[in-house]
Amino acid sequence: EAGVVQSPRYKIIEKKQPVAFWCNPISGHNTLYWYLQNLGQGPELLIRYENEEAVDDSQLPKDRFSAERLKGVDSTLKIQPAELGDSAVYLCASSQNQGNTIYFGEGSWLTVV
Amino acid sequence: GNSVTQMEGPVTLSEEAFLTINCTYTATGYPSLFWYVQYPGEGLQLLLKATKADDKGSNKGFEATYRKETTSFHLEKGSVQVSDSAVYFCALSPMDSSYKLIFGSGTRLLVRP
Repeated sequence: EAGVVQSPRYKIIEKKQPVAFWCNPISGHNTLYWYLQNLGQGPELLIRYENEEAVDDSQLPKDRFSAERLKGVDSTLKIQPAELGDSAVYLCASSQNQGNTIYFGEGSWLTVV
Repeated sequence: GNSVTQMEGPVTLSEEAFLTINCTYTATGYPSLFWYVQYPGEGLQLLLKATKADDKGSNKGFEATYRKETTSFHLEKGSVQVSDSAVYFCALSPMDSSYKLIFGSGTRLLVRP
């Protein structure tokens, strides 16, 4: 069974440029998460989807971050414009249902210069 | 509020040494507890979990016991290998928000041959 797939793995952009990350969850997993992991810290939840509905986006900085999961499967996380402090790893994760084990992708490593 | 505290790293051990990584938590009621591992350049992988007091999670020679009385979930392994070198994250999932994972800051383990 394929795991959570993310792309790109690595991205270097200049500040003020936009960037987008894509995630394909494990087949059959209706819950999808985006986490932010700063260097030397544990991941923190940005947004959670149940199917196509964003049910918890309280930690998403909505002035520059946006996310979508239009058909309830793949998801995209966008930053526009990027700032130096956005350099981090963006982790996508999925679970079959709320409360089940959460599986993580390998992450998208962003460097803003 | 809910939080997880881990011992600071790095922890440096020789191969075949005994490993303990301390983890304590703050939460109401009975959260679920997890250990995740992050190998260099990879995403988070679930190592083990425990969902109620006195449960012992185990996997790949690693063990952790859910201790309600000391609010702890310490990770142990009797004989570490070089391949165990990674960052280990303790996490909890609150009773009233079972979809949410709250992570500690991680502990880097380096095992020398």
